[in-house]
Amino acid sequence: AQSVTQLGSHVSVSEGALVLLRCNYSSSVPPYLFWYVQYPNQGLQLLLKYTSAATLVKGINGFEAEFKKSETSFHLTKPSAHMSDAAEYFCAVSEGMDSSNTGKLIFGQGTTLQVKP
Amino acid sequence: EAQVTQNPRYLITVTGKKLTVTCSQNMNHEYMSWYRQDPGLGLRQIYYSMNVEVTDKGDVPEGYKVSRKEKRNFPLILESPSPNQTSLYFCASYRKTGNTEAFFGQGTRLTVV
Repeated sequence: AQSVTQLGSHVSVSEGALVLLRCNYSSSVPPYLFWYVQYPNQGLQLLLKYTSAATLVKGINGFEAEFKKSETSFHLTKPSAHMSDAAEYFCAVSEGMDSSNTGKLIFGQGTTLQVKP
Repeated sequence: EAQVTQNPRYLITVTGKKLTVTCSQNMNHEYMSWYRQDPGLGLRQIYYSMNVEVTDKGDVPEGYKVSRKEKRNFPLILESPSPNQTSLYFCASYRKTGNTEAFFGQGTRLTVV
């Protein structure tokens, strides 16, 4: 069964500092992996996704994530935090839909990113 | 414009009064799902549907019903709401291949008093 673990429910960084949000997954088949961002009072929007092409994935707003199969990780990074990055971030895994699975999209518990001036 | 539309955005109701939250998508997606979001618990799946007339329970289905009579619509029904169903609800849709992004509605904040 697939699952997602996000390490750290709250992360605080200073403006201009490196952002690192951790995500580990478990999956019985090669997974599809996603990072979503949720700004206050809004729905979720896609930051980036891994679908078995390049292991380093670039997303919107300067974010990127690296798929590391040996570590079953998909950590999200940004070199320099901006005040507008303050939001909640969710890592998610999907195995697609075929005869052996249902295509469910499973989310981690979320990490709230605080950016201090 | 590709979108998932949920209504209402905000709802306050009383215990036991049946309610329906509607969800509609315009992308011809096979897969639709309902999640509830609670502090510290992330998004938990309530019900999902892999296509018309095909629905199944997610992780927290108790107290909820769904139907999928048309591909575009996936309403969430609370037959007898209780205060523990006070939460933020999201509808999502995506292609069954799993390698494309899910599109989310703006959310419905439900309060049951």
